Amino acid sequence: GEDVEQSLFLSVREGDSSVINCTYTDSSSTYLYWYKQEPGAGLQLLTYIFSNMDMKQDQRLTVLLNKKDKHLSLRIADTQTGDSAIYFCAETPPKGSKLSFGAGTTVTVRA
Amino acid sequence: GAVVSQHPSRVICKSGTSVKIECRSLDFQATTMFWYRQFPKQSLMLMATSNEGSKATYEQGVEKDKFLINHASLTLSTLTVTSAHPEDSSFYICSARDVGGAYTEQFFGPGTRLTVL
Repeated sequence: GEDVEQSLFLSVREGDSSVINCTYTDSSSTYLYWYKQEPGAGLQLLTYIFSNMDMKQDQRLTVLLNKKDKHLSLRIADTQTGDSAIYFCAETPPKGSKLSFGAGTTVTVRA
Repeated sequence: GAVVSQHPSRVICKSGTSVKIECRSLDFQATTMFWYRQFPKQSLMLMATSNEGSKATYEQGVEKDKFLINHASLTLSTLTVTSAHPEDSSFYICSARDVGGAYTEQFFGPGTRLTVL
């Protein structure tokens, strides 16, 4: 969606960290999400962050939110081949459950 | 965990026929389900919001007579692509919102690949 932007591709070596970036325009966004889509499959929620948080860590995943710059990032530590997928950033407004998705970042993990 | 299924996973049909896709929430109740369309290497486009017991809300530019949505129960929504044409070929994904969820998480189905010949 035009309200959420992501870079389209990321190539990373196995074992390195991956950082996927996202910017959004709606300052009233309440929740921001990261979804993972493997080939031919639906979306899997990886993690989410509430807009009053700056950071959230969940095992290998770290989400950073800069609300002033409307910038969201997802860091994957020790990237594995199974992390190769498309990652979507998404946001919802305060009074709705409609998700606005970015175009998705295709992450390729090379040996 | 919350599971959403879709059936069929893949369908090939002739131009002019109608195709029905089912979306089921397997272990939770969903008053609201969403239907998305995804083109190759593109993001998900919300087509409509399906509300149990009432008419679906369609996004701008989506033909409601072309894409019929029925949300007959708290666990089932169907999308019927009527008089399908090759340009309707796409990956259709549904999601469901858990009525008991603490936040607005949507659980996604695995998607249905529609190919219209």
